Amino acid sequence: SYELAQPLSVSVALGQTAKITCGGNDIGSKNVHWYQQKPGQAPVVVIYRDYNRPSGIPERFFASNLGSTATLTISGAQAGDEADYYCQVWDSSTGAYVFGTGTKVTVL
Amino acid sequence: QITLKESGPTLVKPTQTLTLTCTFSGFSLSTSGVGVGWIRQPPGEALEWLAIVYWDDDKRYSPSLRSRLTITKDTSKNQVVLTMTNMNPVDTATYYCVYSWGNWFDPWGQGTLVTVSS
Repeated sequence: SYELAQPLSVSVALGQTAKITCGGNDIGSKNVHWYQQKPGQAPVVVIYRDYNRPSGIPERFFASNLGSTATLTISGAQAGDEADYYCQVWDSSTGAYVFGTGTKVTVL
Repeated sequence: QITLKESGPTLVKPTQTLTLTCTFSGFSLSTSGVGVGWIRQPPGEALEWLAIVYWDDDKRYSPSLRSRLTITKDTSKNQVVLTMTNMNPVDTATYYCVYSWGNWFDPWGQGTLVTVSS
């Protein structure tokens, strides 16, 4: 089955840039979506189809997807960006949806 | 505005069957391309996709849980039902109902915590 690997945690100083990676076999050939989950809340999509931001998501969230790694970047991180972040793809070979292992972002 | 809400038991015993209902509004499950799915999250753990049913009644299941899951839709009632058989304490999780159009999930329901314990 298809697997997505993320770092367990990422720390970033207030106002600096955080990068969250999502590794998977030839992930660059798939559409990657990113979710933010704050404690006690349901996840919210922050990026869909590799790099698209839904309305209401700040421009400081952007993403890329190439080769075997997709990356979510948070520039100018704010305290409110502290959350768990998950990547997700659809595996066409099985018709199944797959989530990454999740990354906890801490803003120092 | 699309909303989804999960309902069902908060406590089930081991070996029992769990039945969860997702009641939604703001869209029709007969609209081309639309799907409604289920995702769960054990306490402190990662998200796990379970199942999805599409507008044309196509159904997909997690390969690891396929034998235990059944998803159905009632378009007239705006509901999707998920059943999971042979519940085990490791199935303790928050279960989310989600809307899908385009292979991502947005929005999500608030989630419902299901505890499996005797």
